Amino acid sequence: DTAVSQTPKYLVTQMGNDKSIKCEQNLGHDTMYWYKQDSKKFLKIMFSYNNKELIINETVPNRFSPKSPDKAHLNLHINSLELGDSAVYFCASSQGASGSGTQYFGPGTRLLVL
Amino acid sequence: LAKTTQPISMDSYEGQEVNITCSHNNIATNDYITWYQQFPSQGPRFIIQGYKTKVTNEVASLFIPADRKSSTLSLPRVSLSDTAVYYCLVGDWTGGFKTIFGAGTRLFVKA
Repeated sequence: DTAVSQTPKYLVTQMGNDKSIKCEQNLGHDTMYWYKQDSKKFLKIMFSYNNKELIINETVPNRFSPKSPDKAHLNLHINSLELGDSAVYFCASSQGASGSGTQYFGPGTRLLVL
Repeated sequence: LAKTTQPISMDSYEGQEVNITCSHNNIATNDYITWYQQFPSQGPRFIIQGYKTKVTNEVASLFIPADRKSSTLSLPRVSLSDTAVYYCLVGDWTGGFKTIFGAGTRLFVKA
């Protein structure tokens, strides 16, 4: 069983469209994250949710809106897609609000905006 | 979170031991040191974590000197499949999880 899964794996779309990426974890973790990895391969945290509450919101355009319907899911909706949004988006989860914070990552969603 | 500095890239041959050192001069008392591995087209994968001294698991060893201002990830007898990017992270995630990944070290293992 996949611990952290994301759908879709690939997403090709036109500028201006709205798209969503879904993430689910079956590890029983209470914290989930979204990261963006750009063409230079830098991984940057975008959002973090703990028990469905937003706890980290980095400098991300408000076109990006995370939604956590329950502790096992953290979806990412992107409005009015731009060329610069092309990247790989990783979802991750971890357990606990203290200490070591080991994270488990999903396989990534490769977004290409044309 | 403490900033980390790692070599940008390293080359090795199959069967050799590889040591990747990470500098974290501003590490705080509550900070843990965590290493992740990322293969092309995959998400990062946890390798090992430590606080002080030495930690060993089935994949790697982590050496942390007494001052904790650096750490060394040791991969015994690497194989071609160990070619990946290795990230060193330092932090105490209490109350928040603002994980910052640096550029990592690109390890290339040759036959």
